[in-house]
Amino acid sequence: AQTVTQSQPEMSVQEAETVTLSCTYDTSENNYYLFWYKQPPSRQMILVIRQEAYKQQNATENRFSVNFQKAAKSFSLKISDSQLGDTAMYFCAFMKHSWNDMRFGAGTRLTVKP
Amino acid sequence: DAGVIQSPRHEVTEMGQEVTLRCKPISGHNSLFWYRQTMMRGLELLIYFNNNVPIDDSGMPEDRFSAKMPNASFSTLKIQPSEPRDSAVYFCASSPRTSGGSRETQYFGPGTRLLVL
Repeated sequence: AQTVTQSQPEMSVQEAETVTLSCTYDTSENNYYLFWYKQPPSRQMILVIRQEAYKQQNATENRFSVNFQKAAKSFSLKISDSQLGDTAMYFCAFMKHSWNDMRFGAGTRLTVKP
Repeated sequence: DAGVIQSPRHEVTEMGQEVTLRCKPISGHNSLFWYRQTMMRGLELLIYFNNNVPIDDSGMPEDRFSAKMPNASFSTLKIQPSEPRDSAVYFCASSPRTSGGSRETQYFGPGTRLLVL
């Protein structure tokens, strides 16, 4: 079974600074997808960024980027120029290419301080 | 574009009562997922449908839980009878499928917060 581990239950960062959230996963698959979802206090699950395992280039979405290390099975999220609205729970998720079953990590609670 | 729509947004009920949660996926999406989120267990996939057909319900905790998708634009998750340990936030998500068959991103609804007293 695939497992997703987020080793940082809580993190904080000063506004405008950069923060990196860690995620590791365990799989024997070669083709899969990785995601970061954000859950603000409203509880809405919002897709932040997505990475296909067959792509070597790290995905980037504006201030959000990932460091995907396939051999190390690591998928960290970097948030640049942190904003107060980035305060949320962040979930890392894994999905096998051949399935729709998405597995989530336990989440990291990020607080951006003014 | 309207996102995934869930109703009700909040539900408070008494133990033993039947609870029905509703979901309208994004138009054109052909996969639909039901998740449950609790503090203890995090986000868990309960069941998912492809083209209205249930594919994997191994995450459904007990026979008290059932889900249906009578058409492409509507799904229900029913708990009968409800118990206090069913208290959680229930999310519905949908995703399209590309012509190549690859899996696409899941888009989540706002969730239903269920409290069973």
